[in-house]
Amino acid sequence: GQNIDQPTEMTATEGAIVQINCTYQTSGFNGLFWYQQHAGEAPTFLSYNVLDGLEEKGRFSSFLSRSKGYSYLLLKELQMKDSASYLCAPLDQKVTFGTGTKLQVIP
Amino acid sequence: GAGVSQSPSNKVTEKGKDVELRCDPISGHTALYWYRQSLGQGLEFLIYFQGNSAPDKSGLPSDRFSAERTGGSVSTLTIQRTQQEDSAVYLCASSLGTGREQYFGPGTRLTVT
Repeated sequence: GQNIDQPTEMTATEGAIVQINCTYQTSGFNGLFWYQQHAGEAPTFLSYNVLDGLEEKGRFSSFLSRSKGYSYLLLKELQMKDSASYLCAPLDQKVTFGTGTKLQVIP
Repeated sequence: GAGVSQSPSNKVTEKGKDVELRCDPISGHTALYWYRQSLGQGLEFLIYFQGNSAPDKSGLPSDRFSAERTGGSVSTLTIQRTQQEDSAVYLCASSLGTGREQYFGPGTRLTVT
């Protein structure tokens, strides 16, 4: 089975940087996804890490440490539209989604 | 191109009735997933189809739930004898394969009265 832990809620200021952490325990590991879900909408893909290190994609970056069972999503230059839930989803035989971190960006 | 589509978008049914939810995945995607999401909650995995392999049904909450995928494309999730606790948004997603990103449909909001 899988155990995924991420903070339930976070608040950050527009223009700032926020880091959303995720720790996981899986029986096997074949990569980790991050998804964004705005309220009332379906999740959308943000990033995929399979090797250790930082993957940068515009304002969003994702980091993975396989030995520590740890990942984080880094959001820079926060915008109001970044207010959403962010779902950590490790992959072993199939993807399992964490309960998500609800991020509120305030002016 | 066309994304994942689901129908109906909303379904209100009486307790005890059966419902069928449909998912049309992106053409060429071999993997198809069904999830359930209650208000303010995370995604609950229900079932996973990958190509011609036997589906992973480990997430189905009871034997009232079943799903099939015909011809490796369209999938139908059936809930028999619906209960009020079945009320949720049912999301379908497809991907090119197990280790690839999933594309989600808009979901079906099911309300059991």
